[in-house]
Amino acid sequence: GENVEQHPSTLSVQEGDSAVIKCTYSDSASNYFPWYKQELGKGPQLIIDIRSNVGEKKDQRIAVTLNKTAKHFSLHITETQPEDSAVYFCAAMTSGYALNFGKGTSLLVTP
Amino acid sequence: NAGVTQTPKFQVLKTGQSMTLQCAQDMNHNSMYWYRQDPGMGLRLIYYSASEGTTDKGEVPNGYNVSRLNKREFSLRLESAAPSQTSVYFCASSIRTGEGYTFGSGTRLTVV
Repeated sequence: GENVEQHPSTLSVQEGDSAVIKCTYSDSASNYFPWYKQELGKGPQLIIDIRSNVGEKKDQRIAVTLNKTAKHFSLHITETQPEDSAVYFCAAMTSGYALNFGKGTSLLVTP
Repeated sequence: NAGVTQTPKFQVLKTGQSMTLQCAQDMNHNSMYWYRQDPGMGLRLIYYSASEGTTDKGEVPNGYNVSRLNKREFSLRLESAAPSQTSVYFCASSIRTGEGYTFGSGTRLTVV
């Protein structure tokens, strides 16, 4: 089955700096790659996603890039703010199945 | 619009007891999922239902059973709870497999 590796497990940045979280996947048939943000005591919330026919997608301060050849994808957050502090999960899915999640990155943005 | 509703939010069980976690969605989604979340382990799939009338095992199905009661509801049952099942359980739904999920707020289960 699909295996998703996520790095780093923890990340601390100063407010205003950029944050990058990287994931690799094992199944070359995977075609959907979402990112979720989980705040304390809440369920994960979808923040951005990308499909295998697209190399990059942006939504305001967040962007996701996908390298199908290398089987890795990354989340980029620019101009970080304290409210970006949360746990972020990447995931990958092969069509017709369920999402496989990475183990998460705890992001701390310090003022 | 409630989205995905999970009940209960908290539960303490004794080893060997049984219980059912309830999940309902009001978004007319076809696919529903149960995950468990443990520290350092991320989210692991227990069971999923790609559409009404179908269920499939995920990565960690042992000790659990599921029922897709109708299009809206997908329940998770622990027949004989064990301390290893202490976890936070999340239900999620999507319009279909291959689309983004909407998660519930979770059930925190402790088995003593």
